Amino acid sequence: EAQVTQNPRYLITVTGKKLTVTCSQNMNHEYMSWYRQDPGLGLRQIYYSMNVEVTDKGDVPEGYKVSRKEKRNFPLILESPSPNQTSLYFCASSMVRPDGASGAEAFFGQGTRLTVV
Amino acid sequence: AQKITQTQPGMFVQEKEAVTLDCTYDTSDPSYGLFWYKQPSSGEMIFLIYQGSYDQQNATEGRYSLNFQKARKSANLVISASQLGDSAMYFCAMREGRWDSGYALNFGKGTSLLVTP
Repeated sequence: EAQVTQNPRYLITVTGKKLTVTCSQNMNHEYMSWYRQDPGLGLRQIYYSMNVEVTDKGDVPEGYKVSRKEKRNFPLILESPSPNQTSLYFCASSMVRPDGASGAEAFFGQGTRLTVV
Repeated sequence: AQKITQTQPGMFVQEKEAVTLDCTYDTSDPSYGLFWYKQPSSGEMIFLIYQGSYDQQNATEGRYSLNFQKARKSANLVISASQLGDSAMYFCAMREGRWDSGYALNFGKGTSLLVTP
C-alpha cells in the first residue's frame, strides 16, 4: 500500500530535549516536505527536499533541521524544542511533475501531535 | 497577502444534498495547481481532487468536482449527495511557479463541514 509513515503519532517532551520525528514514504517520490498546522494559521511549510541531499527552507524553518540521506526518508529534527513548537506536524511526499500533469498530488502522513512543556 | 481564501469557516448540509465549498486564489503565475484536501477529526490529510491551471475541463473524482473559473480565480469544491462521513475540515491549496523548485503548497484556513441526518 502506498503511504507516508510518520513516527511517533503523539509526543510530549520538555523544553530543550532534542527530538526527531521520522518520515518514510514507499512511493519513490522525489519531493518531500514538512508542514506544521496551527489553529487559525492553517498549514505552513517548514522545510522541503527536491531529492536526496537537496533540502531548502520553507516559510517557517527556525528551530528545525532536516536531512535527506535516502530517497524514502526525511526526518525532522528539533535540536532544542520550545513551547512555541507545540503543533501538529505533517510530512508529505509527491512526484515532481509540471503542473497540469497527472500525479501531482501530495500524499500526507498521519500527522504527529507534538507538545513541548 | 493571502494566496488562498476560504470565506466559509463553517457549513451545514443535509445528508444526500449537494454542497459547494468556496475557494479563491491569488497568483500572477500562469502555471499553478489547485488542490482540495479533507481532514477528518482523526487528523490525517486526505487528497480529494486536483486542477491544473492549463486544464480545459473541470476536474471530477467520484462525488467530488472542482468548479474552476480561471478569470474569477476561483476553485470551488462541489460535493454531491453528501454523506455523514463527509463531515470534516476541508482545505483548498495552491502550488505555483516552476514545478522543479520550491513546490510548496499554500493552504487556505479551511472550511468545517457538518453533514446532518
